Amino acid sequence: GQQVMQIPQYQHVQEGEDFTTYCNSSTTLSNIQWYKQRPGGHPVFLIQLVKSGEVKKQKRLTFQFGEAKKNSSLHITATQTTDVGTYFCAGRGSGAGSYQLTFGKGTKLSVIP
Amino acid sequence: DAGVIQSPRHEVTEMGQEVTLRCKPISGHNSLFWYRQTMMRGLELLIYFNNNVPIDDSGMPEDRFSAKMPNASFSTLKIQPSEPRDSAVYFCASSWGAGNTIYFGEGSWLTVV
Repeated sequence: GQQVMQIPQYQHVQEGEDFTTYCNSSTTLSNIQWYKQRPGGHPVFLIQLVKSGEVKKQKRLTFQFGEAKKNSSLHITATQTTDVGTYFCAGRGSGAGSYQLTFGKGTKLSVIP
Repeated sequence: DAGVIQSPRHEVTEMGQEVTLRCKPISGHNSLFWYRQTMMRGLELLIYFNNNVPIDDSGMPEDRFSAKMPNASFSTLKIQPSEPRDSAVYFCASSWGAGNTIYFGEGSWLTVV
């Protein structure tokens, strides 16, 4: 079945440094979504990417979808303590009957003030 | 708008007891998901309903787990008998269409002792 791998599993950064998490799928995706889960909270939708090579920005966050639609990345510029949490990617398969999102295991970001 | 509502938020129970988790999806959403989150295994999809019908229950760990959705506004996840290894956060989530943005509830934190 479809597998979504996410690296790194953990990342500790000094406040102000940049952060990137990478997501790789074993199969071609129709779309990919990113979620953020604050400590003790629940996953909250951030963004969806659909097109090959798509790049979207939300303030200091930049999301990319690979040309082959099998990988994606989330980059945070100049991290802040409010960025702390676990970032999940979730991919939807492109085959017939694909209906569900497969979540990566997430990257847990710690920001040292 | 009310989000996905789950109860109880926290439950501590003894091994062998029956546990029932409840969920009210967002009004108008036709897809409902039950996820389990642990440190070791991350977010796991247990079961997916579409229009109140179970479509995929391949993630349900074993016969001790069962889920129902008697109507569009209510679902339950039952564990009987519960075991310590069932301790986890159980999230209910809903969406309009299975591959679209998923809205998570705040989770039910289950501890089985």
